[in-house]
Amino acid sequence: DAKTTQPPSMDCAEGRAANLPCNHSTISGNEYVYWYRQIHSQGPQYIIHGLKNNETNEMASLIITEDRKSSTLILPHATLRDTAVYYCIVRVDGGTSYGKLTFGQGTILTVHP
Amino acid sequence: GAVVSQHPSRVICKSGTSVKIECRSLDFQATTMFWYRQFPKQSLMLMATSNEGSKATYEQGVEKDKFLINHASLTLSTLTVTSAHPEDSSFYICSAPQGGGNTIYFGEGSWLTVV
Repeated sequence: DAKTTQPPSMDCAEGRAANLPCNHSTISGNEYVYWYRQIHSQGPQYIIHGLKNNETNEMASLIITEDRKSSTLILPHATLRDTAVYYCIVRVDGGTSYGKLTFGQGTILTVHP
Repeated sequence: GAVVSQHPSRVICKSGTSVKIECRSLDFQATTMFWYRQFPKQSLMLMATSNEGSKATYEQGVEKDKFLINHASLTLSTLTVTSAHPEDSSFYICSAPQGGGNTIYFGEGSWLTVV
């Protein structure tokens, strides 16, 4: 799986959009971009994933650049409960890596009142 | 609600004893589950892949005789930390992929403290 690079920490004001970047310059054509988050002392929670098109769900939006070498997770209206570590993971679906995730250091997002 | 459940959520054991942590998939079958370990202020590290009906696959550097994994059924995997030492104190997390593997659910995690 391709390696990802994320800033170690970010701050965001409550109610504002939080934009979390991720670089994955060595991504392969069949690798998806996944985002998970981990709130303190809990298991990771799936947020969103995509291949090359932008994606949106009830939690967030995922913007992937045209060359797929980077992406941005957008939390449109951050709340205090969004304070967590956010992990960007690039992986191939299925195959020999079925279900396996390799976690980097992630970005600690702190949402301030 | 949770689709992967771990038990216990917290456990304290004495040094030298063994402790078992359970990981259950709820409402779906998981022929493969994964066990991770997370030390404070660090990321999750994959320990092993639990395979129903066959031996677990361990990551490099993880002692298979110390961390026993049993995938007893299609909904249950157990991790037993044998002869626990204080340095085994950590947050242990399991995960299970559903369907084709695109959706991966994590358990709530289990805090192990060895005293």
